[in-house]
Amino acid sequence: QLQLQESGPGLVKPSETLSLTCTVSGGSISSSGYYWGWIRQPPGKGLEWLGSIYYSGNTYYNPSLNSRVTISVDTSKNQISLKLSSVTAADTAIYYCTRLNLAVAANYFDYWGQGTLVPVSS
Amino acid sequence: SFELIQPPSLSVSPGQTASITCSGDKVGDKYTSWYQQKPGQSPILVIYQDRKRPSGIPERFSGSNSGNTATLTISGTQAMDEADYYCQAWASSTAVFGGGTKLTVL
Repeated sequence: QLQLQESGPGLVKPSETLSLTCTVSGGSISSSGYYWGWIRQPPGKGLEWLGSIYYSGNTYYNPSLNSRVTISVDTSKNQISLKLSSVTAADTAIYYCTRLNLAVAANYFDYWGQGTLVPVSS
Repeated sequence: SFELIQPPSLSVSPGQTASITCSGDKVGDKYTSWYQQKPGQSPILVIYQDRKRPSGIPERFSGSNSGNTATLTISGTQAMDEADYYCQAWASSTAVFGGGTKLTVL
């Protein structure tokens, strides 16, 4: 059974960089046909896609984040990582690691991690 | 930019049909997915490619998409279906989510 597990510091200070790692188990991150990425959810609010990456390193990002997001992949560790720079309180959210299934013209998020809450506070 | 609009809330009696709408400009030209999220849990996929159900999702969940509206329909709604539901589509290589609909079964 595929599992995605997020990890990272529990608190980030304003203006600093938020860093998270997602470890994939029960499957290879190098499998063709899937992107891996991040979706976040501020407490009590809706879902926002941050970006997704292929095992080759090809990435797609949400343009609304103004280039603050960087997603990278480490196939040797079966992991992806997220960096979000210049954070503010508005970046406080649950961050989910996700698998994006590349069906023909109908990509969808078929696996989600349990999520990790990252508060931004001084 | 492309937006998906959902009603914030919907109430339905047990056994009745719940229809959750997702409106967007020519959303019928795109494929939509639907996600269910119960309190304190991660979202799960319940519909993809407008109308397909992943394995393990009950048959009472169905989807449609035409014109400017995609719809998630839950037939014979059960108490366990009480949750937040989000629609999602792709526009210009960006994943867009609707604001979510809180479904109450009472």
